[in-house]
Amino acid sequence: EADIYQTPRYLVIGTGKKITLECSQTMGHDKMYWYQQDPGMELHLIHYSYGVNSTEKGDLSSESTVSRIRTEHFPLTLESARPSHTSQYLCASSTDLFKSLHFGNGTRLTVT
Amino acid sequence: AQKVTQAQTEISVVEKEDVTLDCVYETRDTTYYLFWYKQPPSGELVFLIRRNSFDEQNEISGRYSWNFQKSTSSFNFTITASQVVDSAVYFCALSDPSGSARQLTFGSGTQLTVLP
Repeated sequence: EADIYQTPRYLVIGTGKKITLECSQTMGHDKMYWYQQDPGMELHLIHYSYGVNSTEKGDLSSESTVSRIRTEHFPLTLESARPSHTSQYLCASSTDLFKSLHFGNGTRLTVT
Repeated sequence: AQKVTQAQTEISVVEKEDVTLDCVYETRDTTYYLFWYKQPPSGELVFLIRRNSFDEQNEISGRYSWNFQKSTSSFNFTITASQVVDSAVYFCALSDPSGSARQLTFGSGTQLTVLP
């Protein structure tokens, strides 16, 4: 039973469109993360948040932006999608340090 | 810099066979954390185990077991009597002393296919 939800599950859009990938968690976790995963590849951290109004960029440079206005909600936005943004985007959350990550089931984005 | 290597890109076994997934890591830290995650076809990652560098005891959970060898920087994962439902991509990951997901480095994953 998932406690972290991502929508949409699949998204196919044209170049230049603005999109927002939604991520919500019901566990009250302070820390939330966005990972990008290309097929057959490892996960790369692109954004993270340690709490409301706290966001930082991860190790992998990304043209996307995030916001954290509410604890449970951590949306990711692409202002102008390009084919290079085609990937799977995974949202995750955790409580304190030394705790495991809880992942959503991902959004598979295809930009044509 | 941290690095996690999962040399096996894909493994196929027949149901009921045992299979071991290899994980070799590199770190300059003396304290660190190691993880295994399972990613089934549905896409989400499922946490399997977390181990800190001071605990070299092997762990068994049902059909799953983990062999942590600090001397060889390896943290291998064995599935005994594999089942079709074990088919997934398995990721090994390494965290720095903070244990923070912010500092989590993933390997490239091993695709395990268990054939009926």
